[in-house]
Amino acid sequence: ETGVTQTPRHLVMGMTNKKSLKCEQHLGHNAMYWYKQSAKKPLELMFVYNFKEQTENNSVPSRFSPECPNSSHLFLHLHTLQPEDSALYLCASSQVAGDIGELFFGEGSRLTVL
Amino acid sequence: GQNIDQPTEMTATEGAIVQINCTYQTSGFNGLFWYQQHAGEAPTFLSYNVLDGLEEKGRFSSFLSRSKGYSYLLLKELQMKDSASYLCAVLDSNYQLIWGAGTKLIIKP
Repeated sequence: ETGVTQTPRHLVMGMTNKKSLKCEQHLGHNAMYWYKQSAKKPLELMFVYNFKEQTENNSVPSRFSPECPNSSHLFLHLHTLQPEDSALYLCASSQVAGDIGELFFGEGSRLTVL
Repeated sequence: GQNIDQPTEMTATEGAIVQINCTYQTSGFNGLFWYQQHAGEAPTFLSYNVLDGLEEKGRFSSFLSRSKGYSYLLLKELQMKDSASYLCAVLDSNYQLIWGAGTKLIIKP
């Protein structure tokens, strides 16, 4: 496999459920990111991990909990979400965070909160 | 505050040329990116400009004017497969990416 892979591609959950999104990159990169993409809005950076260390948390509600066990894997744990959290969640990777390198994105996990 | 402006939607005809504009106001500047995102797919890198001028890459060209806080993406010989959203993003002085909301380009036969 190559590139950035996200699972599941689609997820429907109730507000009391707990679920996780998974991201895996096979590019040998050291930085991984979670973005939220809502219709007609700019990409919102949620979390950044650089060499497995979290370097950015953009005031994201605690109902979103990231986990980065190694440089190739990134998780986003979800619990007690709200309907307004429905969006496309994109994972991305780059060589190193904070440089000019391009981002490589996964195809996203489409989340619907009922 | 930091801001990136680009048109929400544009329509063009197959075989024609279209220019997608992006204006920005950011805290510092370390380059401007264009990404293409087809519906239901991952955004993919198109171009990076850090110096003023035009950079051509096949049918796609990207222009930057730092003094005007302005960039455009020029698509020539449009094909139906060019129907996508085009995202403009600026790397600010802290090397944080500031994103525009994207321009949805619709190509008609």
